[in-house]
Amino acid sequence: AAGVIQSPRHLIKEKRETATLKCYPIPRHDTVYWYQQGPGQDPQFLISFYEKMQSDKGSIPDRFSAQQFSDYHSELNMSSLELGDSALYFCASSLGRQGVSTDTQYFGPGTRLTVL
Amino acid sequence: DAKTTQPNSMESNEEEPVHLPCNHSTISGTDYIHWYRQLPSQGPEYVIHGLTSNVNNRMASLAIAEDRKSSTLILHRATLRDAAVYYCILNYGGSQGNLIFGKGTKLSVKP
Repeated sequence: AAGVIQSPRHLIKEKRETATLKCYPIPRHDTVYWYQQGPGQDPQFLISFYEKMQSDKGSIPDRFSAQQFSDYHSELNMSSLELGDSALYFCASSLGRQGVSTDTQYFGPGTRLTVL
Repeated sequence: DAKTTQPNSMESNEEEPVHLPCNHSTISGTDYIHWYRQLPSQGPEYVIHGLTSNVNNRMASLAIAEDRKSSTLILHRATLRDAAVYYCILNYGGSQGNLIFGKGTKLSVKP
């Protein structure tokens, strides 16, 4: 079965650079979530989209922005990167009714971002 | 969001049942109980969820206390592949659905 695809899988950037992470949800899924997992930490919710509109926002820095496109894929844009942004970034998708809490989320393999 | 409490770690032997407890004494009537797990170097993976009644699926069973202040995830026969961090998450029935991960239980499985 098709799963959530994230690209790139690994990314190395310098401080103050920008990065773009991409997420391709499972076909027909209309809701996308982004999570950040720092080293030794638990995943933290960043932001979510339903039908191309932002539906919820967590602890996402102002330097980060995201959007969901007409084909439902999503991109997380990160600017002025800091050392503390080094983390695993997971995307999840669900077939939701605006993120109804019983909808199962399917996670991608993650993008490992390293900021030097 | 209501808080959950889980043991930091647990150990099990292969092919034996495992009971992973979760306390959620401040749970509200509309909070669903979700369990996800994260295998090493992978994204979290859905295991099971329930509201009031016990639930079974091909991966596990979820036993929910009558007062809903605690629940137990049951793996009927642990395998080495079940070694992971298990997260018990409450999710309000009317929320936007994002998952609030707390400190899960790291399960080790011995051969």
